[in-house]
Amino acid sequence: RKEVEQDPGPFNVPEGATVAFNCTYSNSASQSFFWYRQDCRKEPKLLMSVYSSGNEDGRFTAQLNRASQYISLLIRDSKLSDSATYLCVVRNYGQNFVFGPGTRLSVLP
Amino acid sequence: DAGITQSPRHKVTETGTPVTLRCHQTENHRYMYWYRQDPGHGLRLIHYSYGVKDTDKGEVSDGYSVSRSKTEDFLLTLESATSSQTSVYFCAIKRPGETDTQYFGPGTRLTVL
Repeated sequence: RKEVEQDPGPFNVPEGATVAFNCTYSNSASQSFFWYRQDCRKEPKLLMSVYSSGNEDGRFTAQLNRASQYISLLIRDSKLSDSATYLCVVRNYGQNFVFGPGTRLSVLP
Repeated sequence: DAGITQSPRHKVTETGTPVTLRCHQTENHRYMYWYRQDPGHGLRLIHYSYGVKDTDKGEVSDGYSVSRSKTEDFLLTLESATSSQTSVYFCAIKRPGETDTQYFGPGTRLTVL
């Protein structure tokens, strides 16, 4: 079993749709959690950190459930510019950052 | 913009040749990282550094060495490149005060024939 698993995707959604991504992690001692986005042939960029209380940034909402070892990302009112691959990232210990394989999103006009 | 550059951006080489990739940062951050990204695997940590001459291994360090003689430069060396090292290599830094957030360079696309 991979340490960090994500929805396999791809997700193809129309503009304006709401889309949710799921991520599970295997190490119960994981300490920090993130969502990054990666455009085709570009570097990953931080979308948002994920906190136990949940956090929101505009159209994006992230949730963390430590008991279930589950992280989610909700995108409301999808834009064409949201098309990218979304990476779930977990820091376990020290500098051990573990990346999920990513879920690709295509927002269609 | 995190002030990270990588060189070269693209390289094609032959099996058995040595290859060195360079990561340069302009902000003098302590932590620097090298990752590789392959389809279906996500990014995997090769090595990281926590200061000049201070480095440690990551998940996939076999076949790679690193050096950091100056704060701003972190070098990744493939002593004898193999086809399995064909990948996209990303360098990253971590800024203090931004809990665990990593910022990535533009990447180096390496092909080993």
